[in-house]
Amino acid sequence: SQQGEEDPQALSIQEGENATMNCSYKTSINNLQWYRQNSGRGLVHLILIRSNEREKHSGRLRVTLDTSKKSSSLLITASRAADTASYFCAYSGNTPLVFGKGTRLSVIA
Amino acid sequence: NAGVTQTPKFRVLKTGQSMTLLCAQDMNHEYMYWYRQDPGMGLRLIHYSVGEGTTAKGEVPDGYNVSRLKKQNFLLGLESAAPSQTSVYFCASTPDRQETQYFGPGTRLLVL
Repeated sequence: SQQGEEDPQALSIQEGENATMNCSYKTSINNLQWYRQNSGRGLVHLILIRSNEREKHSGRLRVTLDTSKKSSSLLITASRAADTASYFCAYSGNTPLVFGKGTRLSVIA
Repeated sequence: NAGVTQTPKFRVLKTGQSMTLLCAQDMNHEYMYWYRQDPGMGLRLIHYSVGEGTTAKGEVPDGYNVSRLKKQNFLLGLESAAPSQTSVYFCASTPDRQETQYFGPGTRLLVL
């Protein structure tokens, strides 16, 4: 399987703390994307980082990409209870977008 | 602008029954996708389409068929449902296969 892997599978933090999720993949990529899924809902796109970029910011989100290690990380700063969701990485190469298995984030108020 | 819509939202089938899931998008996107999501498995691609009249197999196509007769619609069919097809099905669309995908709200299917 080409499926990516997120680490950790589950993460529980206090409101105000930072949350870091990691993603590893197996092939050469054109870009890597992060999506969020609230319970019972469809996925929502958060951020896309291209293979020639190393870091990207969007509000409280910071994404890094290390193509030599085939890995990416998503940092959510100053987390809020509303950030509780599952987070998926997805990468695009020569095949359709491949999704990881996700990290379940719980932010406790 | 409704984005991506899916019907039905929830369905219960008996083993051997057939059904069709409908995905519709109003963004004029070329690419459309059907995924299934099972606990602990993330999203797995069933079939996809790169334009009207075209379809292609994804990672887990067995037991499913698709059609894209109109650009805005992508249909997923189960000819003879099996309990292993109990899952949540998501449709997505994108203007370019490398770019952001826009997801529908999902269809929960239970096969007894």
